[in-house]
Amino acid sequence: EVQLVESGGELVQPGGSLRLSCAASGFTFSDHYMDWVRQAPGKGLEWVGRTRGKANSYTTEYAASVKGRFIISRDDSKNSLYLQMNSLKADDTAVYHCVRVGGCRGATCHYGFDIWGQGTMVTVSS
Amino acid sequence: DILMTQSPSTLSASVGDRVTITCRASQSIHSSLAWYLQKPGKAPKLLIYKASTLENGVPSKFSGSGSGTEFTLTISSLQPDDFATYYCQQYYEYPVTFGQGTRLEIK
Repeated sequence: EVQLVESGGELVQPGGSLRLSCAASGFTFSDHYMDWVRQAPGKGLEWVGRTRGKANSYTTEYAASVKGRFIISRDDSKNSLYLQMNSLKADDTAVYHCVRVGGCRGATCHYGFDIWGQGTMVTVSS
Repeated sequence: DILMTQSPSTLSASVGDRVTITCRASQSIHSSLAWYLQKPGKAPKLLIYKASTLENGVPSKFSGSGSGTEFTLTISSLQPDDFATYYCQQYYEYPVTFGQGTRLEIK
């Protein structure tokens, strides 16, 4: 079964740090770009950032709201994705989802998010 | 950033109805658009990518159309399980952006 399972979310004080993990199974993890998407309570979806694969030198992209504070990384040998969050603010309070970017199926490529984890809750509060 | 605007924000409909949700992009995104369905407390689910291609396993009652800046998601013969929140998303350029969501509720 294709699956993404996040962990690491918890209550943290403003200014603190947290590292989220995402364990992937059921597919060839190294073949896909992987992203993080968050959703604040009662709000819509916000893209956080992306890591590309080895073929693209594991380069990353970030939303302006987290750039310089968050770092996305991956370990293809462990089928794992990570989100290091520093200098956390109350506005970072959200459910964080690990997502798989679609990629190419035969001659068709797309960059929609075809697999989502259930998410892990991060609460930033004193 | 590309702004994605969905309309309506809330849509009331009855079981059996056919409904359409519109998504407008602030600049051309060609066909780099996806649609998602999200039920309360659950992760979003991909319905459509490349504006009109149905994801594997998604019933054909869902259909997408459009290109450039205007897109639509149509759901035919609504069933109770379809009442949820729908999001559009552009992946044409960074940052990836989502519409604000359309809540489809039972009339």
